[in-house]
Amino acid sequence: DVVLTQTPLSSPVTLGQPASMSCRSNQSLGQSDGDTYLSWLQQRPGQPPRLLIYKIFNRFSGVPDRFSGSGAGTDFTLTISRVEAEDVATYYCTQVTQLGLTFGGGTKVEIK
Amino acid sequence: EVQLVESGGGLVQPGGSLRLSCAASGFTFSKSWMHWVRQTPEKGLVWVSRIDNDGYSITYADSVKGRFTISRDNDKNTLYLQMNSLRVDDTAVYYCVRGSDWPGTDYWGQGTMVTVSS
Repeated sequence: DVVLTQTPLSSPVTLGQPASMSCRSNQSLGQSDGDTYLSWLQQRPGQPPRLLIYKIFNRFSGVPDRFSGSGAGTDFTLTISRVEAEDVATYYCTQVTQLGLTFGGGTKVEIK
Repeated sequence: EVQLVESGGGLVQPGGSLRLSCAASGFTFSKSWMHWVRQTPEKGLVWVSRIDNDGYSITYADSVKGRFTISRDNDKNTLYLQMNSLRVDDTAVYYCVRGSDWPGTDYWGQGTMVTVSS
């Protein structure tokens, strides 16, 4: 089974400063079609998750360009170039498999 | 605008049943795979089940297999989750999630709370 491990658990950041978080898989997420279907979700307090990034680095509709994704194989990163107050949330990586969906445990971004 | 609105959650005793519904709008429901995902503070986000656009291909998480049934009515643009033999550890917020054009998901509903307790 694919296991996604996210670090850190919590990330205190200063407004206007960058933040980054990691998602590591226990096996390569590269598919036979050449794509990697690793996505990132944002969940603000009291809200449902929302898709931010798909296929490693593609921003979903309406997502600000301060969010970017990178990585390959088993190691992936979500970066916020300049954190804003509305970015306070928990961020999850997720991957679809033949058995369903798997999710990382989340990284909570808080303001210092 | 894509909208997914869940309903049917509530308080139920262990061993009881509930049927969740997800009303979809703003897209061609009959062309989309759909998922149910649940969330608790302890276990985080956990995938429950998925159904293809025609309702012929269905998959369940091991934890709900034999107890939950996913279905859909493409004429009513509605996704369902029939939950039987409910256990305390089924307590969670249940989300209806749309399958995306690529292998993955994109839009999430607001969620409906299911509490299993005596």
